[in-house]
Amino acid sequence: QVQLVQSGAEVKKPGASVKVSCRVSGYTLSDLSMHWVRQAPEKGLEWIGSFDPEDGETIYAQKFQGRVNMTEDTSTDTASMVLSSLTSEDTAVYYCATAPPPVLSLDYWGQGTLVTISS
Amino acid sequence: DIQMTQSPSSLSASVGDRVTITCRASQNIRIFLSWYQKKPGEAPKLLISTASSLQSGVPSRFSGRGSGTEFTLTISSLQPEDFATYYCQQSFTTRWTFGQGTKVEIK
Repeated sequence: QVQLVQSGAEVKKPGASVKVSCRVSGYTLSDLSMHWVRQAPEKGLEWIGSFDPEDGETIYAQKFQGRVNMTEDTSTDTASMVLSSLTSEDTAVYYCATAPPPVLSLDYWGQGTLVTISS
Repeated sequence: DIQMTQSPSSLSASVGDRVTITCRASQNIRIFLSWYQKKPGEAPKLLISTASSLQSGVPSRFSGRGSGTEFTLTISSLQPEDFATYYCQQSFTTRWTFGQGTKVEIK
């Protein structure tokens, strides 16, 4: 059973960057494709991007290209996402999510990390 | 990117009602379509993958159908715990996308 535990809530100022981490247990991170999804207040689910461990490539939604970076530390089984140039529009709950390969859907989800952007 | 459009955006129904939600893709996604249930304060829950495969532990009153560009999620007899927002999501392309959601409310 895959378990994902995310880092705690963050409050950031506009223009800053935020890092959200996601620790994996019950599976080897290097065998998983980790995805990141967010939900802004009163909005729907939004796919941000994913990391493919087979080739080390990241794929990002066009909306986030240039200001998001997803990485994995296989020594600690921890995936991370850094989002930069934050605005109030980035206030949201951020989730990591995954499934054993082949990843066609997101079976396992972290508990969510609230990121608040406020001056 | 593939656009996913759900209808309706919201609906009101009573316990015991049959409810159907539609999801349309802007291009052919074969059966690479999943459905999720989202409740406030909780992480999304996967209900159905590859258009019609019910996940383990999900009640059989949930079912999914479709292929290509049109898909449906049906709840055969709505239960109190089913009041939530439902999302479709495509994984046909490497850039995944979600529908905008359908909120199922109590009538």
